[in-house]
Amino acid sequence: AQTVTQSQPEMSVQEAETVTLSCTYDTSENNYYLFWYKQPPSRQMILVIRQEAYKQQNATENRFSVNFQKAAKSFSLKISDSQLGDTAMYFCAFPRRDSGAGSYQLTFGKGTKLSVIP
Amino acid sequence: GAGVSQSPSNKVTEKGKDVELRCDPISGHTALYWYRQSLGQGLEFLIYFQGNSAPDKSGLPSDRFSAERTGGSVSTLTIQRTQQEDSAVYLCASSLASAAYGYTFGSGTRLTVV
Repeated sequence: AQTVTQSQPEMSVQEAETVTLSCTYDTSENNYYLFWYKQPPSRQMILVIRQEAYKQQNATENRFSVNFQKAAKSFSLKISDSQLGDTAMYFCAFPRRDSGAGSYQLTFGKGTKLSVIP
Repeated sequence: GAGVSQSPSNKVTEKGKDVELRCDPISGHTALYWYRQSLGQGLEFLIYFQGNSAPDKSGLPSDRFSAERTGGSVSTLTIQRTQQEDSAVYLCASSLASAAYGYTFGSGTRLTVV
């Protein structure tokens, strides 16, 4: 089974500080992508960052970066210089292959609620 | 369109009534997905459409739920004889051929069954 686990239901960080959200996953595949999505109170799911498993270099998008440890099946998200607008639910996601239908769907972790404190 | 459009944004219905939720994906996206998000929870996969292939309905929770996609574009999720446990946010997403590249989501429909 392919699962995604986010072990931190809630976290808080002071504005301008750095915070790391953890995610672990389980898969038998070798080539895949991993994603972090952000869901602010507006409930719009926004793609934050994507990591390709065959690339050793960690992905970076402005203040957002990942620490991808393939052997450990760990995919954490680091947010630097936290801003009030970063307050949101953050979901880690992994494409799960449905062996019956032959299709892929994203499987999501249960999310981490991040609060940025002024 | 520029993004994934869902309507209505909010829907309140009485228990036992049928509801239809609409999703208009990004033009050119062949894959379309429906997810359900209960209060404070993660996303539960419901159904997946890819081009003209038979949909993957493996996530539909009961036979009261159905979905169709007309002309490979707009999709409608129908819930018959709604129950209070159907109250949730229903999210639609679309993508290029494979979810391996990530989705673009709509803003969702918040369904409240009273």
